[in-house]
Amino acid sequence: DIQMTQSPSSLSASVGDRVTITCQASQDISNYLNWYQQKPGKAPKLLIYDASNLETGVPSRFSGSGSGTDFTFTISSLQPEDIATYYCQQYDNLPPSLTFGGGTKVEIK
Amino acid sequence: EVQLVESGGGLVQPGGSLRLSCAASGFTFSSYEMNWVRQAPGKGLEWVSYISSSGSTIYYADSVKGRFTISRDNAKNSLYLQMNSLRAEDTAVYYCAREGDWGQGTLVTVSS
Repeated sequence: DIQMTQSPSSLSASVGDRVTITCQASQDISNYLNWYQQKPGKAPKLLIYDASNLETGVPSRFSGSGSGTDFTFTISSLQPEDIATYYCQQYDNLPPSLTFGGGTKVEIK
Repeated sequence: EVQLVESGGGLVQPGGSLRLSCAASGFTFSSYEMNWVRQAPGKGLEWVSYISSSGSTIYYADSVKGRFTISRDNAKNSLYLQMNSLRAEDTAVYYCAREGDWGQGTLVTVSS
């Protein structure tokens, strides 16, 4: 099974800061990686699909990069409404399954 | 607009059973693979099960294999999760998901 290692598990940053989260897959997953934002009591919301594509309607301060085993998620200028937990998620087709990173809780300093 | 609405959650005793439903609308349900994903209180996301668009291919996480059964009724635009032999560690919010679209979740609590 593919394992996803996400770091850090939590971070505290100031409004306007650049925030970076990394996710490492235990084997090559090409670009089959999504990034989600989850706020308390809510379902996860897709922000980035296929590693680097911004979902429609998502602010451009969010971005993703990487392929193979190493991936990065960036918030270019942290806003108060970005306080949430972020998850990476790989999707494997053989056999079909989803694997999530452990999550990164983002807080305002 | 894609809508996924889960129902059927509740409080059940260990060893009991529960059937979750997910009503889909806003897209051609029969054309899409579907998944169930759960989240224990205060924990991360855990994939539970996958079903192909026709229902012919099904997979489960090891943690639920042999106890849970996923199914779908394309005529009713509905996804199901039959959960048997429930354990305390199955306590979670259960989400149905289609690619990047998720329902609001339904809470399952397993406790005596």
